[in-house]
Amino acid sequence: EPEVTQTPSHQVTQMGQEVILRCVPISNHLYFYWYRQILGQKVEFLVSFYNNEISEKSEIFDDQFSVERPDGSNFTLKIRSTKLEDSAMYFCASTLGTDSNQPQHFGDGTRLSIL
Amino acid sequence: DAKTTQPNSMESNEEEPVHLPCNHSTISGTDYIHWYRQLPSQGPEYVIHGLTSNVNNRMASLAIAEDRKSSTLILHRATLRDAAVYYCILRDFYNQGGKLIFGQGTELSVKP
Repeated sequence: EPEVTQTPSHQVTQMGQEVILRCVPISNHLYFYWYRQILGQKVEFLVSFYNNEISEKSEIFDDQFSVERPDGSNFTLKIRSTKLEDSAMYFCASTLGTDSNQPQHFGDGTRLSIL
Repeated sequence: DAKTTQPNSMESNEEEPVHLPCNHSTISGTDYIHWYRQLPSQGPEYVIHGLTSNVNNRMASLAIAEDRKSSTLILHRATLRDAAVYYCILRDFYNQGGKLIFGQGTELSVKP
């Protein structure tokens, strides 16, 4: 069964550094998402991406964040200047999207630790 | 998206049925009821969804109240692998490609 893959599984970065989290969504999917989960808290939506542009973003997704689909397969989340509070699990998801009830398929996440 | 309410935690014995409740008293006519679960150290995983009628798939069953203000996810025989956080989420049918809004969910523990 096709799956969403995320790399790296764990990223340790110094505060203030840039970090790029990578995702390979399922190949025929049209909508792509990033969510994050701070330890012990609920999963929070960050951004959705469709047709090569952001379709929705949350208040968390400020100017320090950006997303890109640089080729036909990768979907990346960049944090320009990381803060301690960016430490979290980051999940990528994708969906076919042609029907609003199509499930979202999630990767197993990247654990981002900011020192 | 309308709000759902779930118990924080539930316990079950292995090989017994589990009924996970969800209240959604402000559900609208176009909201579908979706369930996801999150196994330890993994991303969320789709389980099942429905609108009005009860639904079955290989993972679980979904029982929806006649007034649609509540639903119950049924795991027919819990296994240790079913220990996870279960999320009940409402999705508007017209919100194609829309985000999922996760609550705290129900943490299910399964005892051998």
